[in-house]
Amino acid sequence: NAGVTQTPKFRVLKTGQSMTLLCAQDMNHEYMYWYRQDPGMGLRLIHYSVGEGTTAKGEVPDGYNVSRLKKQNFLLGLESAAPSQTSVYFCASSPLAGGFNEQFFGPGTRLTVL
Amino acid sequence: GENVEQHPSTLSVQEGDSAVIKCTYSDSASNYFPWYKQELGKGPQLIIDIRSNVGEKKDQRIAVTLNKTAKHFSLHITETQPEDSAVYFCAAGDSGSARQLTFGSGTQLTVLP
Repeated sequence: NAGVTQTPKFRVLKTGQSMTLLCAQDMNHEYMYWYRQDPGMGLRLIHYSVGEGTTAKGEVPDGYNVSRLKKQNFLLGLESAAPSQTSVYFCASSPLAGGFNEQFFGPGTRLTVL
Repeated sequence: GENVEQHPSTLSVQEGDSAVIKCTYSDSASNYFPWYKQELGKGPQLIIDIRSNVGEKKDQRIAVTLNKTAKHFSLHITETQPEDSAVYFCAAGDSGSARQLTFGSGTQLTVLP
């Protein structure tokens, strides 16, 4: 099992450009999450999904869109990148059964917006 | 919404000593409190968690305590080793909100040989 994988690992964008970050998990998890990590601020939830075809806003959703067309994939889109979106982005997934469960994190994508 | 505060932001200990990291939370509905370890260049990984019906949980050199009345929980690492050096995050969540977690700001632990 590869677990949670993220593509790409690094990316540099210019202000106003768009891009999509891909998260894939092979554990058949229902829940998937996108976080951003900034120095001194921990992990902040951007969007999440409780199942295929569903998405919901987290703490900091502005400037981002997401889609979950397939259960194993969760895409994070930036339509018009801004320097404030320079961050490390982490995807996580979690199984449905048994109440609260561990969130399994991917290795992250480091995004720089110039 | 939930607010989680974590202290200290940095912590240096000598190898073999103990390390303690503390977190407080604001939402009394929170009932799940995990701790994650993040090594350089990697994603966070769960090391221990505790649920609100338990006051303490231990796993080898790692223990977590929870005081629901005071809304705080702590991570204790005994007999620290250089490989314990990492960033540690606490989090809080409740099972009724799509299992969202609110994370603390992190503690950089350095174990000096």
